[in-house]
Amino acid sequence: QGQLAQSGAEAKKPGASVKVSCKASGYKFIDFYIHWVRQAPGQGLEWMGWINPSTGATIYAQRFEGRVTITRDTSNNTAYMEMSRLRADDTAFYYCTRGDKRGTVATAARHWGQGSLVTVSS
Amino acid sequence: DIVMTQSPDFLAVSLGERAAINCKSSRSVLYTSNTKNYLAWYQQKPGQTPKLLISWASTRESGVPDRFSGSGSETDFTLTISSLQAEDVAVYYCQQYYNTPFTFGQGTRLEIK
Repeated sequence: QGQLAQSGAEAKKPGASVKVSCKASGYKFIDFYIHWVRQAPGQGLEWMGWINPSTGATIYAQRFEGRVTITRDTSNNTAYMEMSRLRADDTAFYYCTRGDKRGTVATAARHWGQGSLVTVSS
Repeated sequence: DIVMTQSPDFLAVSLGERAAINCKSSRSVLYTSNTKNYLAWYQQKPGQTPKLLISWASTRESGVPDRFSGSGSETDFTLTISSLQAEDVAVYYCQQYYNTPFTFGQGTRLEIK
């Protein structure tokens, strides 16, 4: 079925960068797109972007363009989400998700990582 | 971007009663070539990660109780819980995956009356 295991909580100062990892197991990593979604405390879900682990191609929500970079390491079956120029309102849980259809970007998010809390505070 | 708007924001329903949550998209999410609506529903219980309940607007995930059902097409969708149970207390989100960005509704908080 597959699992996604994310890196632990991070505490950062405004202006810094953070890199969150998402390690896939139990399935062929390059077969399924990985998406990133964030959720500020007590708030709703916000889709950030996706990566095709096979090709490395990415798409970002416009509001994150230029500040978020999604990459992957196929040798370690791991996807990464790096955010720069952090602000206090970037404090949130960051989730990686995976769909249920091989090679297809447009699927619902059946599999979720456990979430990585990023706290931005001076 | 496709804007997803849920109603109501908050819903309180008695145990055993029916609960209905609506989701409206600013553009159709029906892909006419395969007649599929690119619309999902998620449940997020307190302190937990979201869980996929329904995809393609009406296809229930394996293991999801059959009291949950999804309906609608193009721009108007509904998640219905036929007989509310205590364990259904959660926030429910719709999401379109027709076009990037794959936007979510703002969420509907469901509680027991």
